[in-house]
Amino acid sequence: SQELEQSPQSLIVQEGKNLTINCTSSKTLYGLYWYKQKYGEGLIFLMMLQKGGEEKSHEKITAKLDEKKQQSSLHITASQPSHAGIYLCGADGGYGGSQGNLIFGKGTKLSVKP
Amino acid sequence: GAGVSQSPSNKVTEKGKDVELRCDPISGHTALYWYRQSLGQGLEFLIYFQGNSAPDKSGLPSDRFSAERTGGSVSTLTIQRTQQEDSAVYLCASSGQGNIGKLFFGSGTQLSVL
Repeated sequence: SQELEQSPQSLIVQEGKNLTINCTSSKTLYGLYWYKQKYGEGLIFLMMLQKGGEEKSHEKITAKLDEKKQQSSLHITASQPSHAGIYLCGADGGYGGSQGNLIFGKGTKLSVKP
Repeated sequence: GAGVSQSPSNKVTEKGKDVELRCDPISGHTALYWYRQSLGQGLEFLIYFQGNSAPDKSGLPSDRFSAERTGGSVSTLTIQRTQQEDSAVYLCASSGQGNIGKLFFGSGTQLSVL
């Protein structure tokens, strides 16, 4: 079955600094999804990447998909305290195509120091 | 309501008792997921329902766990003879047709088994 590994596990940055979170899949990616979880607020969908080389942005958050490396990176520019939370990547757990049982990495906990 | 609703929000039970957790997905969403999140762990996939198809139960950790979805809407996750290791937050999510990967999560049920 597919597994997603995220790095780093946790990250503390000073407000205003840039940062990158990585998600690497053990198998071919057929779509990669980024979510954010804040304490007491549940998980919020950020963005979906479906094609190799695809890049999407949401406010100051940019994510890219590298199909060859089976990897996605999420980059935050000029971090703010509101960016703090746990970022999780998700992907289809099947061996090919959409199977629906979306699996997730263990998450990266981001803290932003004001 | 407009979002995914889960009840109860908190459940404390004694070891060996059965518990039922309820999920009301967003109206019209065909896919429904159950996940488990233990302290410091990522999201563990449990079960996935899609329309009238047979559910994907591949993530259920033991035969003490079962789930059903009535009328393609409300779902109930049942844990029989609860064990202390079942303590976790149980999250439900739903997604619309053609939007696999864009999940809307409920706030979860915090289950504590004493």
